[in-house]
Amino acid sequence: KQEVTQIPAALSVPEGENLVLNCSFTDSAIYNLQWFRQDPGKGLTSLLLIQSSQREQTSGRLNASLDKSSGRSTLYIAASQPGDSATYLCAVYTSGTYKYIFGTGTRLKVLA
Amino acid sequence: DAGVIQSPRHEVTEMGQEVTLRCKPISGHDYLFWYRQTMMRGLELLIYFNNNVPIDDSGMPEDRFSAKMPNASFSTLKIQPSEPRDSAVYFCASSLEGPSYEQYFGPGTRLTVT
Repeated sequence: KQEVTQIPAALSVPEGENLVLNCSFTDSAIYNLQWFRQDPGKGLTSLLLIQSSQREQTSGRLNASLDKSSGRSTLYIAASQPGDSATYLCAVYTSGTYKYIFGTGTRLKVLA
Repeated sequence: DAGVIQSPRHEVTEMGQEVTLRCKPISGHDYLFWYRQTMMRGLELLIYFNNNVPIDDSGMPEDRFSAKMPNASFSTLKIQPSEPRDSAVYFCASSLEGPSYEQYFGPGTRLTVT
């Protein structure tokens, strides 16, 4: 059974800092991995999708990497801004389950 | 495009009452998903449809929950009778390419059952 863990559960950093969010999963037979952002009282917004054949994806200040063999993905945020404050969730689509399994998220606060 | 639309945004009801949540997917998206988010269990897939047909309902917690998609632009999730443990945020999402690809989420319905 796929389990997705995100550590830390919460993170507070000063504006301008580069930071890394971690996601680990137990079953390496994944098809895709997505990083989402969730703002309070709102739905999820997909930030990056990495296919199993890829090692990383980039969008603006965001870079997500995937290491299937070690069961890990990281989301790198460069030059963080207060507007980046949100909960970030990682979701793994496993070949056997045919659905995304979500981590519990990392709640990020960027201080001005 | 207006994105995925859900109604109501908030619902407060008493135990035993019927609750109906509504969703309008993004036009042209053939896949529609219903999720539930709670503090204890996180975000879980309840059911998803492809071309209005339910494909996987293994996440539906019990017979009190039912979902329908009568046409490509409308879906409902019904709980009858509702219980306090059903209190959660229910999200609808849609996708153009399939369940493993990018999904677009609605703002959610916060359900409170007293």
